[in-house]
Amino acid sequence: QQQVKQSPQSLIVQKGGIPIINCAYENTAFDYFPWYQQFPGKGPALLIAIRPDVSEKKEGRFTISFNKSAKQFSLHIMDSQPGDSATYFCAATAAGNKLTFGGGTRVLVKP
Amino acid sequence: EPEVTQTPSHQVTQMGQEVILRCVPISNHLYFYWYRQILGQKVEFLVSFYNNEISEKSEIFDDQFSVERPDGSNFTLKIRSTKLEDSAMYFCASNNRGQTYEQYFGPGTRLTVT
Repeated sequence: QQQVKQSPQSLIVQKGGIPIINCAYENTAFDYFPWYQQFPGKGPALLIAIRPDVSEKKEGRFTISFNKSAKQFSLHIMDSQPGDSATYFCAATAAGNKLTFGGGTRVLVKP
Repeated sequence: EPEVTQTPSHQVTQMGQEVILRCVPISNHLYFYWYRQILGQKVEFLVSFYNNEISEKSEIFDDQFSVERPDGSNFTLKIRSTKLEDSAMYFCASNNRGQTYEQYFGPGTRLTVT
């Protein structure tokens, strides 16, 4: 019940395309859902986050869509650039405690 | 911009040796965490720490692991007798849970056990 399932494992898009990464959870106590971006050899960097009382949040080219009834959320990267090539992790927490991470999606944006 | 720092960036040790990984959380944060990431896998929670005591730990965090806040700035993870399977990236994170749930991660320590 603590798991967060993330798909796909990897994604290749052309520059300007819109990679979409999906996550699903079971634990209804989760109340905060961040996305992290990780480059090789670096720590996860917080990208954007959402709470379940909001269905969508945009920050720059990154958008989270949230479906509370389906217990699913997704990340869209608009107008993707080669510099967006990284591994993206969704995560979830209840009351700001430990983060439970999804398995990660390796995104490659081709020039 | 304040950030979490970690030292060393890379630690190589022999099986059975003790290692101490160090972290300096963001200065006004009160909640501290250790996570690990085995190469190519997801980030896994190890332990959370608040008010000088462990608030939660995972099944990974067995008796070989301990955490300490020896002074007002450092937060350490000790592995008493390292095993080959302890080889991983170890990330420290911190937040100020009363204001926000955002956790900020350090750059990590790559631990290699030979």
